[in-house]
Amino acid sequence: QLQLQESGPGLVKPSETLSLTCTVSGGSISSSSYYWGWIRQPPGKGLEWIGSIYYSGSTYYNPSLKSRVTISVDTSKNQFSLKLSSVTAADTAVYYCARRRTSSGWNYWGQGTLVTVSS
Amino acid sequence: QSVLTQPPSVSGAPGQRVTISCTGSSSNIGAGYDVHWYQQLPGTAPKLLIYGNSNRPSGVPDRFSGSKSGTSASLAISGLQAEDEADYYCQSYDSSLSGVFGGGTKLTVL
Repeated sequence: QLQLQESGPGLVKPSETLSLTCTVSGGSISSSSYYWGWIRQPPGKGLEWIGSIYYSGSTYYNPSLKSRVTISVDTSKNQFSLKLSSVTAADTAVYYCARRRTSSGWNYWGQGTLVTVSS
Repeated sequence: QSVLTQPPSVSGAPGQRVTISCTGSSSNIGAGYDVHWYQQLPGTAPKLLIYGNSNRPSGVPDRFSGSKSGTSASLAISGLQAEDEADYYCQSYDSSLSGVFGGGTKLTVL
């Protein structure tokens, strides 16, 4: 059974870079036809798609975040990561990593990790 | 403001049928991109409920159904049960292949 687990600091200072890692177990991150993505949810609010990376390495980012976001894959560790630079309080959210197949929705999710931006 | 528009809340009595709408535009749903639906119980990660407009993943009861027409999509839940009380989100893509979500709909079972 595929499992995803987010990890990273729970507190980040304003203007710094938020860095999260998603560790994948029960399957290979290099498997063809899969997208690996990040989705966030501010407290009490709805879901926001941050971006995703295809198994081939192609990346897709939310236009509103594109200038600050980088998503990458480390196949040797079966992990993918998120970096969000110049964070503000508006970036405080539960961050989820997830996987989907081509032509499907996000069907595997991590449990989510709360990241608070505060000095 | 979300790219896809959903009603903030819907409600229904046990056993009834409710529908949740998801309205987009010609640059996302109307452009032919699939719509997916998620159920989120309090304090948990979203769960894929419907994919590809009307397909149910294994394990999702057939009480849940999805449809799409033009620039809109709908999620229908029949035979409403107390355990269906949750937040529901629609999701699609836009012309830049960016994912877009609806603002979410809170379903209350009366």
